[in-house]
Amino acid sequence: DAKTTQPPSMDCAEGRAANLPCNHSTISGNEYVYWYRQIHSQGPQYIIHGLKNNETNEMASLIITEDRKSSTLILPHATLRDTAVYYCIVRVAILMKTSYDKVIFGPGTSLSVIP
Amino acid sequence: EAQVTQNPRYLITVTGKKLTVTCSQNMNHEYMSWYRQDPGLGLRQIYYSMNVEVTDKGDVPEGYKVSRKEKRNFPLILESPSPNQTSLYFCASSLLAGSEQYFGPGTRLTVT
Repeated sequence: DAKTTQPPSMDCAEGRAANLPCNHSTISGNEYVYWYRQIHSQGPQYIIHGLKNNETNEMASLIITEDRKSSTLILPHATLRDTAVYYCIVRVAILMKTSYDKVIFGPGTSLSVIP
Repeated sequence: EAQVTQNPRYLITVTGKKLTVTCSQNMNHEYMSWYRQDPGLGLRQIYYSMNVEVTDKGDVPEGYKVSRKEKRNFPLILESPSPNQTSLYFCASSLLAGSEQYFGPGTRLTVT
């Protein structure tokens, strides 16, 4: 089972901020939160990740709550090209070569940006 | 250009005919992984490899084999394909286990 839960779908008006929530209440102290998106049937694209501090890059911002049990991906000015399925996953941050690293994707959130 | 390549991109085959889907990355990444994606089930990990000669099962390894003889290549082998392996397959790589993954363009496989 996925370690994260997300709403199945969301709409956002073009030009407005899109705020995509993710719950990861069982996250461990050594697990990162990662966000990816998938446009149509293309390969998923990495967006951003964080451990406990808020992060920002040229694509998005990631806000992680203080207890790390949930996070929000923010696309500050959504465009039609941001219409995609967004996946939130957790992964162990630091691994030794013999460590276990199974990656589990949930169903994600289908974001529709509306003109 | 840094990328993950997969071949073939599309394949139609018959039940029982062995096939290999190749995956190659040119980023000197240690970690590579295979996923399948089916409607309503999302992305599910088949196998992953932490480094050369180190592979491990993901969530849905039955019916698949992999090998990691060299760092850049991670082929997915279906010894005896069945119709329930009809799916969209993605290969991914990352610098290290735990770091961000870069995905290939996908291989759409149909087994009749």
